[in-house]
Amino acid sequence: AQSVTQLDSHVSVSEGTPVLLRCNYSSSYSPSLFWYVQHPNKGLQLLLKYTSAATLVKGINGFEAEFKKSETSFHLTKPSAHMSDAAEYFCVVTARYSSASKIIFGSGTRLSIRP
Amino acid sequence: DGGITQSPKYLFRKEGQNVTLSCEQNLNHDAMYWYRQDPGQGLRLIYYSQIVNDFQKGDIAEGYSVSREKKESFPLTVTSAQKNPTAFYLCASSTTFTTNYGYTFGSGTRLTVV
Repeated sequence: AQSVTQLDSHVSVSEGTPVLLRCNYSSSYSPSLFWYVQHPNKGLQLLLKYTSAATLVKGINGFEAEFKKSETSFHLTKPSAHMSDAAEYFCVVTARYSSASKIIFGSGTRLSIRP
Repeated sequence: DGGITQSPKYLFRKEGQNVTLSCEQNLNHDAMYWYRQDPGQGLRLIYYSQIVNDFQKGDIAEGYSVSREKKESFPLTVTSAQKNPTAFYLCASSTTFTTNYGYTFGSGTRLTVV
């Protein structure tokens, strides 16, 4: 079975400072992990994904995430926040090569950026 | 440009009415999905379809129905049996029914019961 926990429902940072959005997962099998971003009243956009290659994954808009098996974590980071990064972020876990009906979405982290 | 189109963007339903949400994709994806999103919650799977003329119930299918007569189209009907239909509905598609490639999402339909 798979599960995912986003540890913060809301994160607020100042523009230009680092961003850290935390995600822990549980999976009985080798996991595939994704981060999606959702701007208000919009669909979800794929930021990055981990599917067994390099553990440090680079995504769009300067975001990256590191798969840490020992800590069962897949935290999302960005060195310097921009106002346009304000959005809802979802961590997603699934068992690799499983059917797509078994994808589990976290409850989301709302990122606010202070000027 | 390829993508998924959901319509309408906003929809209002009276008590006891059925309404249909449209989802069309021109990505040539085999698999399509409907999710429901409520405030402060993750996405919950309503129905999914791996191929044309086939679909399966997800985690919260009660009160909903779908069809998949064409590869490009996967409409969702919210019936009067759905007791709490007010939510944001997202349609998604993927190249295959395995999980390694992620989804492409539409921009969503916000349904409100009045």
